[in-house]
Amino acid sequence: AQTVTQSQPEMSVQEAETVTLSCTYDTSENNYYLFWYKQPPSRQMILVIRQEAYKQQNATENRFSVNFQKAAKSFSLKISDSQLGDTAMYFCAFVWARQLTFGSGTQLTVLP
Amino acid sequence: ETGVTQSPTHLIKTRGQQVTLRCSSQSGHNTVSWYQQALGQGPQFIFQYYREEENGRGNFPPRFSGLQFPNYSSELNVNALELDDSALYLCASSLVGEKETQYFGPGTRLLVL
Repeated sequence: AQTVTQSQPEMSVQEAETVTLSCTYDTSENNYYLFWYKQPPSRQMILVIRQEAYKQQNATENRFSVNFQKAAKSFSLKISDSQLGDTAMYFCAFVWARQLTFGSGTQLTVLP
Repeated sequence: ETGVTQSPTHLIKTRGQQVTLRCSSQSGHNTVSWYQQALGQGPQFIFQYYREEENGRGNFPPRFSGLQFPNYSSELNVNALELDDSALYLCASSLVGEKETQYFGPGTRLLVL
């Protein structure tokens, strides 16, 4: 069974600064995908970034980037130039056989 | 906007009743998954449908059932509602071969009294 662990229930960051959210996972599979989703107060789950396990290069989407360490089973999210609109619950998720397994989430608050 | 819609947005039921939640997937997406998200927790996988057949199921009892229709819409049915069924129910659609990426609808918030 796959498990996803997010050890930081809450984090805060000043506007325009950089913050890193941590995620570890456990799986015996070799080919899989990892995701970060954000869920603002509206509750809509929004895809932030995707990483394919067979790619060594870390994924980047504008201000969002990941540090993917396959051997360590670590998948952290870095948000640069944080904006007030980044305030949300962030979920790390693992997918295999089309089933998403989510972590418990990290509530990020961006402070003005 | 993900192109995935859900109805209703909110619903109140009493224990023992039955409920049907609906989802309209993104056009062309042949896979739909349903998730239950209790307050303060991450979503939990209920089941997935691919080409109108159940294609995987999480740790949920048989009173949770579903349907997928040829027009990409789907339903989640829950019988004999219990208080613990109160949660946000999320539908997500995906296209086989598109790197396993699932796109979520806005959810239906169910309250069981």
